[in-house]
Amino acid sequence: ESVLTQSPGTLSLSPGESATLFCRASQIVSSNYLAWYQQKPGQAPRLLIYGASSRATGIPDRFTGSGSGTDFTLTISRLGPEDFAVYYCQQYGSSPWTFGQGTKVEIK
Amino acid sequence: QVELVQSGAEVKKPGSSVKVSCKASGGTSSTYALNWLRQAPGQGPEWLAYIIPAFGATKYAPKFLGRLTVDADTATNTVYMELSGLKSEDTAIYYCARRGSLGFYFDYWGQGSLVTVSS
Repeated sequence: ESVLTQSPGTLSLSPGESATLFCRASQIVSSNYLAWYQQKPGQAPRLLIYGASSRATGIPDRFTGSGSGTDFTLTISRLGPEDFAVYYCQQYGSSPWTFGQGTKVEIK
Repeated sequence: QVELVQSGAEVKKPGSSVKVSCKASGGTSSTYALNWLRQAPGQGPEWLAYIIPAFGATKYAPKFLGRLTVDADTATNTVYMELSGLKSEDTAIYYCARRGSLGFYFDYWGQGSLVTVSS
């Protein structure tokens, strides 16, 4: 089973700043099958990125996914108030599909 | 617009079973895999299983083999998840979610069903 480790655990930033979130897999993610989700309190996760770098429908281009192999990054430029949330990565290259433990982006 | 609507919260005793439903609407095909995931407090989601309703095909995470059953009613576009032998560690929000068109990421999610296991 592929273990995903996200860092940092918490990111304290001001609106307008950029956020860089990391996700490292314990084994190579086949075909870069890596997704990112945003979750706000009391809500289900929302798909942001799939295939490491493809934005889901309706996701603004402030969200950029990159990386390959075992190391992946989510960059959020120009943080808006709606972007403060918890972010999860998920690999779907090998079953069972697994998630990281999350990075919380909070208002500084 | 795809919508997944789940059944309500449940409180169960240890050792008992729980069954959660998820009704799909909005044109999603029964050939799409519908998945079950759960999320314990303060943790990331955990994938449990999927079912392809049109074919009845299922796949389970090894951890849940023997304790989890998923099935579907194509007449009502509803899928079900039943977890038996409940333990306190099974306390979580259970979600159904649709597989994406290009792989097992999850593009549409239900609202979640809180299952609390407590004596």
